[in-house]
Amino acid sequence: DQQVKQNSPSLSVQEGRISILNCDYTNSMFDYFLWYKKYPAEGPTFLISISSIKDKNEDGRFTVFLNKSAKHLSLHIVPSQPGDSAVYFCAAKMYSSASKIIFGSGTRLSIRP
Amino acid sequence: EAGVVQSPRYKIIEKKQPVAFWCNPISGHNTLYWYLQNLGQGPELLIRYENEEAVDDSQLPKDRFSAERLKGVDSTLKIQPAELGDSAVYLCASSLGAASSEQYFGPGTRLTVT
Repeated sequence: DQQVKQNSPSLSVQEGRISILNCDYTNSMFDYFLWYKKYPAEGPTFLISISSIKDKNEDGRFTVFLNKSAKHLSLHIVPSQPGDSAVYFCAAKMYSSASKIIFGSGTRLSIRP
Repeated sequence: EAGVVQSPRYKIIEKKQPVAFWCNPISGHNTLYWYLQNLGQGPELLIRYENEEAVDDSQLPKDRFSAERLKGVDSTLKIQPAELGDSAVYLCASSLGAASSEQYFGPGTRLTVT
C-alpha cells in the first residue's frame, strides 16, 4: 500500500520554464511533508518542507504547495536550471512523533536547453 | 563538516555469501537510519537507532539481516546469506534526534548479488 505516490516517473522541462512535480498521499495522519533531491551516485538531500498548518512554503526558486483536502502537494521550480536535473522524492511523516518518513517513488526531472 | 560516510560504495557478491556495510554518521547525530532503495523506488526504512538502541526494526528481515551500532556512533548492516533480491542501494542517514525531520543521507552502497 503506497501511502505517498508520485505518478509521473519522469518530466522534461525547457530551461527557464517552470517545473511542476506532483505528489499524492493517502494517510490523513501525515502532517509534515518534505521534498528531497537526488543526483546519481549520491544520497538524497533535503530540499524544502511544509507543515500541514500552511498551504505554501517558498525558498528561492522552490515553492511547495499543499492541498490538504485533496491530499495533494506539488513542488514548483521557477525558473528551471540545468542543475535541477535530478530525481525528486516526495516524503511525508507525522511531525509530532518520531514516526518514520515515507517516501514516494520519485520523479526524474530533466531540464533541456 | 563531514557528511554521512558509507563504505564500500559498490559491492558485488555471489548469492549465499555474507556482506556488510558500514556507516559513520554526522558527528553529534544521535539518530541513525538504514534504508533500502530498490531501482525506481524511494528509500524504505529498515532500522532506526537512537544512540545504540534499535527503536524501530519492524521492516528489517531478521532471518538474514542484522545491524549493530556499538557505542552509539558507527553502524554496520549485515546480510547473511545474500539473495538475488537483495540487489539494491543501501542508504544510511542520520539526524540530530528522532523528531528531527531533516535527515542527512550518505551516498549509499550499491549491492549486486549474482
